[in-house]
Amino acid sequence: NAGVTQTPKFRILKIGQSMTLQCTQDMNHNYMYWYRQDPGMGLKLIYYSVGAGITDKGEVPNGYNVSRSTTEDFPLRLELAAPSQTSVYFCASSSPGANYNEQFFGPGTRLTVL
Amino acid sequence: AQRVTQPEKLLSVFKGAPVELKCNYSYSGSPELFWYVQYSRQRLQLLLRHISRESIKGFTADLNKGETSFHLKKPFAQEEDSAMYYCALRGIQGAQKLVFGQGTRLTINP
Repeated sequence: NAGVTQTPKFRILKIGQSMTLQCTQDMNHNYMYWYRQDPGMGLKLIYYSVGAGITDKGEVPNGYNVSRSTTEDFPLRLELAAPSQTSVYFCASSSPGANYNEQFFGPGTRLTVL
Repeated sequence: AQRVTQPEKLLSVFKGAPVELKCNYSYSGSPELFWYVQYSRQRLQLLLRHISRESIKGFTADLNKGETSFHLKKPFAQEEDSAMYYCALRGIQGAQKLVFGQGTRLTINP
């Protein structure tokens, strides 16, 4: 099992550009999450999904969109990149009630907006 | 509101010394508390969860509801313990959503 995979690992965007951060998990987890981590700060939840076709906002959703068409994939879309979106983005997944609700994380995507 | 506070951004101790990473939380109900760890060049991974009351890599953490704390402790630090440690809280109504503290970078000096 690859677990949770994220692409790309690094990306530099210009202000106003758009991009999609990809996240895939092969553990058949129902729940998936997107977090961002700013320097010196903890992880903050952007969006989450409890199953295919169901998504909901987290703590910091502004400027982002998500979709969940399959159990495996949970892409995060930035439509108009802004310098405030410079961060490290982590995708995670979990299965309700399994492993005491442990979340499994991807390696992260480091995004810089200039 | 749910909040997790880790008061120390940096903590440095010598090998063999005791380690305590502090975590305080704010939550009106009965939370689930976790410690996650990120070693250099590795992904974030679960270290401990309060509900299982286990000891992992010599680390333990006890949930103190009276003091709303979940401090992580190890009696004798090892160099391989150097990492970033995050305390996290899941409220029972939270659809498994986690609220993370700011993290503590632990450095074990030889």
